[in-house]
Amino acid sequence: AQKVTQAQTEISVVEKEDVTLDCVYETRDTTYYLFWYKQPPSGELVFLIRRNSFDEQNEISGRYSWNFQKSTSSFNFTITASQVVDSAVYFCALSEPWEGGADGLTFGKGTHLIIQP
Amino acid sequence: DAGVIQSPRHEVTEMGQEVTLRCKPISGHDYLFWYRQTMMRGLELLIYFNNNVPIDDSGMPEDRFSAKMPNASFSTLKIQPSEPRDSAVYFCASSLGPPSNTEAFFGQGTRLTVV
Repeated sequence: AQKVTQAQTEISVVEKEDVTLDCVYETRDTTYYLFWYKQPPSGELVFLIRRNSFDEQNEISGRYSWNFQKSTSSFNFTITASQVVDSAVYFCALSEPWEGGADGLTFGKGTHLIIQP
Repeated sequence: DAGVIQSPRHEVTEMGQEVTLRCKPISGHDYLFWYRQTMMRGLELLIYFNNNVPIDDSGMPEDRFSAKMPNASFSTLKIQPSEPRDSAVYFCASSLGPPSNTEAFFGQGTRLTVV
């Protein structure tokens, strides 16, 4: 079985603050993939990042950064100097390509991020 | 490429009616997925296809749900008969390879309301 937990249902910060979205996952496999997607108010899901379980290097892309720690089964997402346009629901997801069932994505419940001007 | 195209964007139907959701994946993508999003259950995988063949439909909630992919550029998700609890946003996604290896692109979704 696999599970993704995003304990923060909603976060509200003032523009320019840094904010971290937490993601904790459960899996019995040694090979797996982790993802973050953004769902803006318009509704579509936008891919942000994919990491495999063998690559624990943190990644930075502009104001976005991701901290992958296998020891704590976490894949947290930080937005630095947040902007109003970052307001969205952010989903963490897990895929186990060799799981006997679906080779799709198991999503967390999402964190609704509100950036106030 | 226009991305994954879903139609209709919104659908309101009466309980008991048949409803068909449509999806056009990105050209050249071998994988197609149908997801459902509700407040209670979040995003759930319903079924996925590889090269037009259904691979895993274990996420399909009931026999009332069926999905087809007659060719590489078109897929449908049908609910017959529809029930109010089917109300949700249904997303179609496609990818070049399995999502574990490649980015999955999502359509804008179809918001289904069954009254």
